[in-house]
Amino acid sequence: AQRVTQPEKLLSVFKGAPVELKCNYSYSGSPELFWYVQYSRQRLQLLLRHISRESIKGFTADLNKGETSFHLKKPFAQEEDSAMYYCALSGGTSYDKVIFGPGTSLSVIP
Amino acid sequence: NAGVTQTPKFQVLKTGQSMTLQCAQDMNHNSMYWYRQDPGMGLRLIYYSASEGTTDKGEVPNGYNVSRLNKREFSLRLESAAPSQTSVYFCASRYKDKEAFFGQGTRLTVV
Repeated sequence: AQRVTQPEKLLSVFKGAPVELKCNYSYSGSPELFWYVQYSRQRLQLLLRHISRESIKGFTADLNKGETSFHLKKPFAQEEDSAMYYCALSGGTSYDKVIFGPGTSLSVIP
Repeated sequence: NAGVTQTPKFQVLKTGQSMTLQCAQDMNHNSMYWYRQDPGMGLRLIYYSASEGTTDKGEVPNGYNVSRLNKREFSLRLESAAPSQTSVYFCASRYKDKEAFFGQGTRLTVV
């Protein structure tokens, strides 16, 4: 069964400090992994996906199939990064459902 | 370009009442989804539709029904609302294996 876990419900870091939001998954196949972000009073939106291998707003995430992880990292946190972050998984075809983790609320302290 | 539009934005129901949440997308996406968002639980998939004419259960389908009316519209119905269905409901759509686009959400309270 598809499952996404995010062990931290809340994460607080100081501005300028590195941040890592953890995501682990279970899936019997080749998954598509995503990070979505929800800023206050805004819609949920895509931050990045593993297949694109790009850095968005300074965030990167590497898919580690051995550890079944897709942790989100940023070397220097900014106040505007404060938001709710969701890791999500899909089977990679249009017929696959998209499953989300419970989310991590990131708070960047000035 | 409106994207994904949900109606209504807010709703209060009494236990046992029924209602339908509407969702429409104008991006010609094949797949559409309904999620509920609860504190500490994240987004949980209720139902999804991979293409027009098909629907499938997600993680928490009990108490809900859906209709994929056409390619644009995907509605969620609560036949007999219960306080446990108090939540924020999100509709989403996506094209093939691309990113999902979300509506602004419907905040539902069942008293």
